[in-house]
Amino acid sequence: NAGVMQNPRHLVRRRGQEARLRCSPMKGHSHVYWYRQLPEEGLKFMVYLQKENIIDESGMPKERFSAEFPKEGPSILRIQQVVRGDSAAYFCASSPGANYGYTFGSGTRLTVV
Amino acid sequence: DQQVKQNSPSLSVQEGRISILNCDYTNSMFDYFLWYKKYPAEGPTFLISISSIKDKNEDGRFTVFLNKSAKHLSLHIVPSQPGDSAVYFCAALRELQGAQKLVFGQGTRLTINP
Repeated sequence: NAGVMQNPRHLVRRRGQEARLRCSPMKGHSHVYWYRQLPEEGLKFMVYLQKENIIDESGMPKERFSAEFPKEGPSILRIQQVVRGDSAAYFCASSPGANYGYTFGSGTRLTVV
Repeated sequence: DQQVKQNSPSLSVQEGRISILNCDYTNSMFDYFLWYKKYPAEGPTFLISISSIKDKNEDGRFTVFLNKSAKHLSLHIVPSQPGDSAVYFCAALRELQGAQKLVFGQGTRLTINP
């Protein structure tokens, strides 16, 4: 039973490019959460999605960031026109439902050069 | 607004002794508190949790204590082992709209010395 799969593990983008981060939840999990960890900080909540629905995006920056969790396929976190300050580790977590059984993926480390 | 704070960025403990990691919070509405362990280049791994209505939860070498009046919790690891060296995050959970939103502290890097 594979855990939460995130890819790529490392992503390098030039300023102004787009970054796409993918997250495949654990089998049977329909709830996905995205968190961001800036250097020397804890993880910060970004967005909570269920299949085809964004439930809570209160932690998402208002511009350039978007997330989706389509009926088929992984959840995608998209960052348009990346800037240096977007460099961080982005973690996805999934759960089977509205309970506290989070499982985190290994993260995608985004570096903007 | 840092609702969950871990004021010690690092802690060094001798193998076999007790490790005590501390965490403070400001919001009385949290339902659960959790501790996560994180190795470099890996995601956080759940370690132990405590309900806001309890004051202690124990699991093997790990015990979490909650002092609601002081809005403080601590994780005790005894005896400490080299494999415990990692970054430990305290997190508080609040259920909103059925979502389990976690608020994390900044983390404490624990180093166990042989």
